[in-house]
Amino acid sequence: SQTIHQWPATLVQPVGSPLSLECTVEGTSNPNLYWYRQAAGRGLQLLFYSVGIGQISSEVPQNLSASRPQDRQFILSSKKLLLSDSGFYLCACIRSTYEQYFGPGTRLTVT
Amino acid sequence: RKEVEQDPGPFNVPEGATVAFNCTYSNSASQSFFWYRQDCRKEPKLLMSVYSSGNEDGRFTAQLNRASQYISLLIRDSKLSDSATYLCVAHSGGYQKVTFGTGTKLQVIP
Repeated sequence: SQTIHQWPATLVQPVGSPLSLECTVEGTSNPNLYWYRQAAGRGLQLLFYSVGIGQISSEVPQNLSASRPQDRQFILSSKKLLLSDSGFYLCACIRSTYEQYFGPGTRLTVT
Repeated sequence: RKEVEQDPGPFNVPEGATVAFNCTYSNSASQSFFWYRQDCRKEPKLLMSVYSSGNEDGRFTAQLNRASQYISLLIRDSKLSDSATYLCVAHSGGYQKVTFGTGTKLQVIP
């Protein structure tokens, strides 16, 4: 079964600073990968989706970007963080039967 | 209208009680449905899939009503450890078309 790693677990960044969050997956090859954000007290918002290396679909236009440099690596980035970027960022993969599995998440606070 | 809607709760129930949550979906093309459990400040974890014929896993029963476009989760003999937020999910075709509800919070009281 697959295991998803995310780091860092928590992050406090000032407004205007850059961001890089990493997600790696073990136990599966060519996974479909997702980045979600969950704002405090709110539901999961799909940010990006990737079916393979270099293939990224953006669901929500914003100051975030994603990259998939390797089969089992998915990176979320920003050049300049906004206060509204605070939230719980989750990486997930999906099985052929549509069950999703999540990493432990990164809790980002933008100050 | 949201694609997937849930009553946010909280549902406060005593230990041993039976509690049921409903989740409605608006996209009639939705094909696959799931319930996830999310503990405070943790990632969601798959609780169970929802099959057309209904399915049961121990104290948990999930059902799908396509005519009325809702899914339900029934928890029998509630335990303190069942306290969490329960998210419903609908897939409407393709790996990208996944929509999460905002969750229903359950608090089981001693």
